[in-house]
Amino acid sequence: GENVEQHPSTLSVQEGDSAVIKCTYSDSASNYFPWYKQELGKGPQLIIDIRSNVGEKKDQRIAVTLNKTAKHFSLHITETQPEDSAVYFCAASKGTSGTYKYIFGTGTRLKVLA
Amino acid sequence: DSGVTQTPKHLITATGQRVTLRCSPRSGDLSVYWYQQSLDQGLQFLIQYYNGEERAKGNILERFSAQQFPDLHSELNLSSLELGDSALYFCASSMSGWNTGELFFGEGSRLTVL
Repeated sequence: GENVEQHPSTLSVQEGDSAVIKCTYSDSASNYFPWYKQELGKGPQLIIDIRSNVGEKKDQRIAVTLNKTAKHFSLHITETQPEDSAVYFCAASKGTSGTYKYIFGTGTRLKVLA
Repeated sequence: DSGVTQTPKHLITATGQRVTLRCSPRSGDLSVYWYQQSLDQGLQFLIQYYNGEERAKGNILERFSAQQFPDLHSELNLSSLELGDSALYFCASSMSGWNTGELFFGEGSRLTVL
């Protein structure tokens, strides 16, 4: 069945450094790849997404890249700040007339050290 | 505030009992998703409803059931509770049933089974 793997499970970086989180997906029909940020005690919140017809998308300090051939996508956070500390989830989904499962990765706990 | 309301926020009960978790989606959203998040685990997809109909099923146990009512609110029923059912249960909503848009998460219902 569908599966999304996410690495690393924990990541510590110094403030100002970059952070990269990687995900791979199994279903080649997936065409939508969002990233969510979950702060302590809150529900996840969308921070950026990319669709399969695009290879890269950037929004200020965050960017996502997609390699459809290899079936992997990555989140890049530059100039990290303490408020970036949170758990980040990738997800893969597809909009077809079949099943509609929105599958999340296992999460990455990012710690930005001041 | 995502606009998704979940009640109760916290619930403590005993093994063998039955509980109902309630979710009110954002105004105008037709899809409701339920996810289970155990300690240090990712978001496990349970079930999705779209406009009152079941659209997709994930790893939902037979002891669990859900429904979406005509006013679009949803309830997740958990019965014959076991210690392992202790988790944070999230509801999310989206406008589309095609899983290619943002999910808006509630703040979760934390269930503790003693």
